[in-house]
Amino acid sequence: QQQVRQSPQSLTVWEGGTTVLTCSYEDSTFNYFPWYQQFPGEGPALLISILSVSDKKEDGRFTTFFNKREKKLSLHIIDSQPGDSATYFCAASGGEGADRLTFGKGTQLIIQP
Amino acid sequence: DPKIIQKPKYLVAVTGSEKILICEQYLGHNAMYWYRQSAKKPLEFMFSYSYQKLMDNQTASSRFQPQSSKKNHLDLQITALKPDDSATYFCASSQGWGGPYEQYFGPGTRLTVL
Repeated sequence: QQQVRQSPQSLTVWEGGTTVLTCSYEDSTFNYFPWYQQFPGEGPALLISILSVSDKKEDGRFTTFFNKREKKLSLHIIDSQPGDSATYFCAASGGEGADRLTFGKGTQLIIQP
Repeated sequence: DPKIIQKPKYLVAVTGSEKILICEQYLGHNAMYWYRQSAKKPLEFMFSYSYQKLMDNQTASSRFQPQSSKKNHLDLQITALKPDDSATYFCASSQGWGGPYEQYFGPGTRLTVL
């Protein structure tokens, strides 16, 4: 049973457009949700994170939204750039395994010039 | 300068052999972790350490043994290697343990077992 689900699996967006990635989770004890960006051959880089007490967090062109009732979160990238082309992972942790990040399978994003 | 160093970048091993993956962090963090990423599964938590003490272990096999000689070092020894162990192994660190703390990942060691 996959505890963190991501969609879509892959996505192509035109340069300058808005990218929306979504994630859902099962475990109601999860209370921390980071998003990571990974380029080929590199490790995941922390992009933005949100705690379950918040419903929105913004950092530059990146905004994450959290809906506790629906157990869903999303990552919005405005003015998407070719340099944003990467794989994006959402993750979750909380409860007994407070430091154990559970990852989704990732979304491969391509920004077309 | 890289803040989390993993050595080697690539590693090829034969079935049944033993290898050690090295990780050092220079972020001044007190907690360190190992994760594994393979073609078949998403990034998967393996171990967490805080102040050189094992805090959480989600690896069923005793063939995987973390080793912490210093607070900023967490190596991973893998014995009796199998082809299924082929994956990229990532070390991560965070300021503290008992969360949530932001976790920062190293560049990874890509292991191939023939």
